[in-house]
Amino acid sequence: EDKVVQSPLSLVVHEGDTVTLNCSYEVTNFRSLLWYKQEKKAPTFLFMLTSSGIEKKSGRLSSILDKKELSSILNITATQTGDSAIYLCAVDRSQGNLIFGKGTKLSVKP
Amino acid sequence: DGGITQSPKYLFRKEGQNVTLSCEQNLNHDAMYWYRQDPGQGLRLIYYSQIVNDFQKGDIAEGYSVSREKKESFPLTVTSAQKNPTAFYLCASRGRDYGYTFGSGTRLTVV
Repeated sequence: EDKVVQSPLSLVVHEGDTVTLNCSYEVTNFRSLLWYKQEKKAPTFLFMLTSSGIEKKSGRLSSILDKKELSSILNITATQTGDSAIYLCAVDRSQGNLIFGKGTKLSVKP
Repeated sequence: DGGITQSPKYLFRKEGQNVTLSCEQNLNHDAMYWYRQDPGQGLRLIYYSQIVNDFQKGDIAEGYSVSREKKESFPLTVTSAQKNPTAFYLCASRGRDYGYTFGSGTRLTVV
């Protein structure tokens, strides 16, 4: 059975800290791995990773995929209160749908 | 603006009632999806459709039904057979570049 596991499930940090969120997967028909940020309602897209070892960056956020270890990390540097959200990791399967992890709830305190 | 519209935003259902959640997209996307989210859980796939007049069960299809008569529309019916329907429901669509777009969700509560 396919699964995506995220850790930690929740995390509390102070503004300015750097955080690393983890995602591991066991998926038989892997196409890509995606990261989303969910604040109130709809998840918003952060990154899509298909190739191992190539870091993607967007401002203070970065992510990398390790296909040998079947895992990915999402880094956030110099955290701000606006980074408080649930971060979702999902794997896109070649049968044409996403399987999600349970998410990591990040709380950034001033 | 292209996007996905879910309605209603909030829905209350009495025990034993069927209710239908609407999802409409104007992105010209072929594939559409329904996910359910419970507190502390990620999104779980209910049903998906890759093309008009065709759909497949996801991981938690029991107690739900869908139709895909038009490319733009993918309504989800929560039937009385669904014993624990209180949840947040998200609709999504996928374009040919494999990018997914999500709606703003419908929060369903059983009263």
